[in-house]
Amino acid sequence: QKEVEQDPGPLSVPEGAIVSLNCTYSNSAFQYFMWYRQYSRKGPELLMYTYSSGNKEDGRFTAQVDKSSKYISLFIRDSQPSDSATYLCAMSGVNQAGTALIFGKGTTLSVSS
Amino acid sequence: ETGVTQSPTHLIKTRGQQVTLRCSSQSGHNTVSWYQQALGQGPQFIFQYYREEENGRGNFPPRFSGLQFPNYSSELNVNALELDDSALYLCASSLDRVNEKLFFGSGTQLSVL
Repeated sequence: QKEVEQDPGPLSVPEGAIVSLNCTYSNSAFQYFMWYRQYSRKGPELLMYTYSSGNKEDGRFTAQVDKSSKYISLFIRDSQPSDSATYLCAMSGVNQAGTALIFGKGTTLSVSS
Repeated sequence: ETGVTQSPTHLIKTRGQQVTLRCSSQSGHNTVSWYQQALGQGPQFIFQYYREEENGRGNFPPRFSGLQFPNYSSELNVNALELDDSALYLCASSLDRVNEKLFFGSGTQLSVL
């Protein structure tokens, strides 16, 4: 079992839709949870950062962490064509490799106008 | 813009050759991390440097090595290139060793033929 599983697979929605992106993880030592957005041929850009459990909202984006279920989510409200990108969940905690980020595979989102 | 720049943007090498990739971090960021991102995958942690010393390493062989310099620049060196080394190599800088906010460059796309 991979440390971080990202679900769902490629996603296509109409403009204005609510998008839900999810990841599950197996390592209970993870303490920091992040969502990155990556446009084609660019590096990942930090969108949301959460420490431990709870919700965090920033504009149209809401991040949720449920440590008891080892499950994190990113919600995008009123999605726009400019939201079309790959979304990567990432986590970290103290482990053998220091404080490396462990990434999911990414979900490619396409928002059509 | 994250303030992290990488060079070159693209590179083609042949199997068995050696390559050096360069990164310039944000001023004041004492930590630099390198990640490998294969096509369709999330970034994988290679190693991290803090104040010019290796601070953590992922599951990569010793032919992957690095250097960090006092002027916020760093290098990733890969010896004896293999076909599977073809990937996007990402440099990320952060203020400290806890990777809660990584700022990524746009990466170097390495192709090994």
